[in-house]
Amino acid sequence: SQWGEENLQALSIQEGEDVTMNCSYKTYTTVVQWYRQKSGKGPALIILIRSNEREKRSGRLRATLDTSSQSSSLSITGTLATDTAVYFCATENNYAQGLTFGLGTRVSVFP
Amino acid sequence: DPKIIQKPKYLVAVTGSEKILICEQYLGHNAMYWYRQSAKKPLEFMFSYSYQKLMDNQTASSRFQPQSSKKNHLDLQITALKPDDSATYFCASSQEEDWGDTQYFGPGTRLLVL
Repeated sequence: SQWGEENLQALSIQEGEDVTMNCSYKTYTTVVQWYRQKSGKGPALIILIRSNEREKRSGRLRATLDTSSQSSSLSITGTLATDTAVYFCATENNYAQGLTFGLGTRVSVFP
Repeated sequence: DPKIIQKPKYLVAVTGSEKILICEQYLGHNAMYWYRQSAKKPLEFMFSYSYQKLMDNQTASSRFQPQSSKKNHLDLQITALKPDDSATYFCASSQEEDWGDTQYFGPGTRLLVL
């Protein structure tokens, strides 16, 4: 599998706190994409980081990529209740053009 | 206005029956995809189409057949349904079938096979 052994992680935090989630991947990728999926909706891309970038910021989001350890992280600063969702990282699939997703991290932000 | 339409939103089927999941995108994209999301499993890539041609098939079973009647349509026919097919099926599209092209996902069709 593309991913290391992992279960769906769950984090519960209060509004205003910062949160960081991690993922690791097994095979080479030129891009790591982070998606957010809210309840009852499809995933939506929130930030994309390429292999020649170590860090990428977009508003309250910050993604990092360490190609040597094949890991990526997503941080959200000053969380809002509306950030409640499952967050997935996704990479290229070496055998096809579709994305390979990890199990994700469920983030619950309480007011 | 929703840019990717999937119909129906919910679907209940009996084992052994056949169903068609509908997907239409109004983003002007040339590539379309199907993914499946089952309980406790990662979102799983199934098929990709580019300019109405099948590019990749990652499903092991021939019971899953994508159908593209128009450039912006990619339906999914599932035959001889099994309870294990119960999942939410997502259609997605991107401008081209290139690494790094943003894929936009539809709202999904939740299928329950009894």
